[in-house]
Amino acid sequence: EAAVTQSPRSKVAVTGGKVTLSCHQTNNHDYMYWYRQDTGHGLRLIHYSYVADSTEKGDIPDGYKASRPSQENFSLILELASLSQTAVYFCASSNWGGQNTLYFGAGTRLSVL
Amino acid sequence: QQKVQQSPESLIVPEGGMASLNCTSSDRNVDYFWWYRQHSGKSPKMLMSIFSNGEKEEGRFTVHLNKASLHTSLHIRDSQPSDSALYLCAATNNYAQGLTFGLGTRVSVFP
Repeated sequence: EAAVTQSPRSKVAVTGGKVTLSCHQTNNHDYMYWYRQDTGHGLRLIHYSYVADSTEKGDIPDGYKASRPSQENFSLILELASLSQTAVYFCASSNWGGQNTLYFGAGTRLSVL
Repeated sequence: QQKVQQSPESLIVPEGGMASLNCTSSDRNVDYFWWYRQHSGKSPKMLMSIFSNGEKEEGRFTVHLNKASLHTSLHIRDSQPSDSALYLCAATNNYAQGLTFGLGTRVSVFP
């Protein structure tokens, strides 16, 4: 089964601080995604990437940056963390055209205080 | 407004019973639908996908798709306690740009 590893698994951050969430996949997938999950909003797409050194904005990119330095690694950066960014963050990857599914990591629970 | 709407919000089903979940997209450009299952505290995992009109069955799970009405449904027969989870419907017209998820239906199966 496809492997997507996220780190850290949980984090407490202070308002205004910088937070970096990391994602590593060993599936040789070209496509990678960052979603956040909140009660009442469900899963929402923040950023995605289909090739190294390139990222695209998803549906809710404001307040987030993304970085794809290699095919395997995809990071989500919160330059100035805010209370509203408290959520569970999921990274996912896919090869589309193959299994046609998203493989999700275990998630990172972020609490901004 | 959610582009992918699911109903009901929650469902209680007796063990061995049938669970029926609904999903409709308000985006007329959508071509592809998925159903994901998310157990409490875990990440979503794909259950089934359906891209063509009609029905698809895998074990105890059956999905239907009506592309004209952009409606898909998931039916779970002989429900088991292990089926208790959040069921997420997802749709897109361009999967490379990611999937749009609904808020989910929470299914609880009681013995």
